[in-house]
Amino acid sequence: DAGITQSPRHKVTETGTPVTLRCHQTENHRYMYWYRQDPGHGLRLIHYSYGVKDTDKGEVSDGYSVSRSKTEDFLLTLESATSSQTSVYFCAITPGMNTEAFFGQGTRLTVV
Amino acid sequence: LAKTTQPISMDSYEGQEVNITCSHNNIATNDYITWYQQFPSQGPRFIIQGYKTKVTNEVASLFIPADRKSSTLSLPRVSLSDTAVYYCLVGDRSYSGGGADGLTFGKGTHLIIQP
Repeated sequence: DAGITQSPRHKVTETGTPVTLRCHQTENHRYMYWYRQDPGHGLRLIHYSYGVKDTDKGEVSDGYSVSRSKTEDFLLTLESATSSQTSVYFCAITPGMNTEAFFGQGTRLTVV
Repeated sequence: LAKTTQPISMDSYEGQEVNITCSHNNIATNDYITWYQQFPSQGPRFIIQGYKTKVTNEVASLFIPADRKSSTLSLPRVSLSDTAVYYCLVGDRSYSGGGADGLTFGKGTHLIIQP
């Protein structure tokens, strides 16, 4: 399995609190992605990174920010969590754009 | 505008060959076609990728006609464990920067295999 780890795996937080999810890879892949998955919506791209300090928005980026200060880590931050951000979050990595992607195990976030 | 269109769901039986077709009428010259499989509570897993004609691996075959406006994922002799959601993606492998669509998934096809 590709070396990609998400942390935490589960989190419950209160509305209005900041939350940071971490994606860590040991593959030295250039591209990293954050998705959310909700029933009936498939996977929706939040943000992606095409290199250190290089990030771009996906289709559902409102309310989320990301940072990538080193190749191996891609952080997703919810500045002020809302109940609508309750979801399962997946991180993915690829060596190049649209090459084979490897996904993490997911983080289940519940905002109460 | 959606880049791909695929059936929302399909049913089949164990031992049958299953073909899932994806429409991508606006595919660009540099776009590749990629299929992923996702089981509940897991991240998607890469199945196969192709550019034209036919690609086969140990899991599936991918058929792409000459006009490349559609593709068909073929799963030979399915079993109950092939019940999953299957996603078809198209994207430019030569792109190297930001401003692109990223790795964009649709809602996929929910394939249900019955005994």
